[in-house]
Amino acid sequence: DAGVTQSPTHLIKTRGQHVTLRCSPISGHKSVSWYQQVLGQGPQFIFQYYEKEERGRGNFPDRFSARQFPNYSSELNVNALLLGDSALYLCASSLLADSPLHFGNGTRLTVT
Amino acid sequence: GIQVEQSPPDLILQEGANSTLRCNFSDSVNNLQWFHQNPWGQLINLFYIPSGTKQNGRLSATTVATERYSLLYISSSQTTDSGVYFCAAKRAGANNLFFGTGTRLTVIP
Repeated sequence: DAGVTQSPTHLIKTRGQHVTLRCSPISGHKSVSWYQQVLGQGPQFIFQYYEKEERGRGNFPDRFSARQFPNYSSELNVNALLLGDSALYLCASSLLADSPLHFGNGTRLTVT
Repeated sequence: GIQVEQSPPDLILQEGANSTLRCNFSDSVNNLQWFHQNPWGQLINLFYIPSGTKQNGRLSATTVATERYSLLYISSSQTTDSGVYFCAAKRAGANNLFFGTGTRLTVIP
């Protein structure tokens, strides 16, 4: 079975632009979570979706939004990019909302 | 949110040595997971262990929920064990899984 897949793997954007990151969960998993990992720190929770509904949101500004589609894949959108948004964005899927997380390889976003 | 503290922050081991990594959390949890992030950034789930003890090969983990800590044991360490080990915890009724700052392990041949 395929693991969690994320696209793109790398992305370079300019301040003020918008970005969309994509995630496909493990087949059968109904929950997708998004995390931001800045260099040298642990991942920080951004969103969790379960059965296409938002279950939780971390301490991130409204520039960050996400959604989950009927096939359980997910998108993370970030508007008006700032230099500080440069990070590794990780998507994780789990069978249920509280099950073990399985991470994708991440999207490395660089904002210049 | 819940505070998750890990110790030690850095650890250097000779190949074959054993080690214990500690994770303290500030509140009652219903979800506690250990992860290994390899040098290429990939995060691998090692254990889902809100309480009790589990073993998987050379790795084992114990969570004492009533005392708010978890331990990860690595025996007979190998160079491929190098990387950063994170623990992450969540309170019952909450949606946020909070990660600690990690323990960076370097195993030298």
